Amino acid sequence: AQTVTQSQPEMSVQEAETVTLSCTYDTSENNYYLFWYKQPPSRQMILVIRQEAYKQQNATENRFSVNFQKAAKSFSLKISDSQLGDTAMYFCAFMKRAGGTSYGKLTFGQGTILTVHP
Amino acid sequence: NAGVMQNPRHLVRRRGQEARLRCSPMKGHSHVYWYRQLPEEGLKFMVYLQKENIIDESGMPKERFSAEFPKEGPSILRIQQVVRGDSAAYFCASSPKHSETQYFGPGTRLLVL
Repeated sequence: AQTVTQSQPEMSVQEAETVTLSCTYDTSENNYYLFWYKQPPSRQMILVIRQEAYKQQNATENRFSVNFQKAAKSFSLKISDSQLGDTAMYFCAFMKRAGGTSYGKLTFGQGTILTVHP
Repeated sequence: NAGVMQNPRHLVRRRGQEARLRCSPMKGHSHVYWYRQLPEEGLKFMVYLQKENIIDESGMPKERFSAEFPKEGPSILRIQQVVRGDSAAYFCASSPKHSETQYFGPGTRLLVL
């Protein structure tokens, strides 16, 4: 079974600064995906960024980027130029690549509450 | 293209009643997933369905819970004889065939009195 660990229950950052959220995972699989989702106070789950395990290049989406270290099973999220709207709970998630057209379930970490201060 | 829709958004039930949660996936999506989020916790997988088939129900409690995704209409998560411990947010997600990305609905908050 896969496990996902987020060791930082809460983080805070000043507006316009950079913050990094940590995530580690444990799996024996070689073919998988990793995701970061954010959950703002509205409770809606929003996909932030995704990474395919077979790709060595770190994924980037505008101000969001990841540091994917496959050997260390680490998948951290860096938010640059933090904005007030980034305040949310952030979840790291793992998905094993299944066969055929099936992509399987997401396994989530416990979440990190990020607060951006003005 | 409308997003994943869930209804009701809030549901209050008394112990022993039944709860029915509905999920309409995004247009063109044939895969549906249900997750449960207890207060102050992350989301936990419950069940994965494709049209008329249950693919993975490893996260479903053995009793009182069932799910379906019929050929026509929304996916339904049914909880019979609810107990207070069932109080949680229930999220539905959908994905198209051949895609790893799941898109989430706004969730249904179930409160059992």
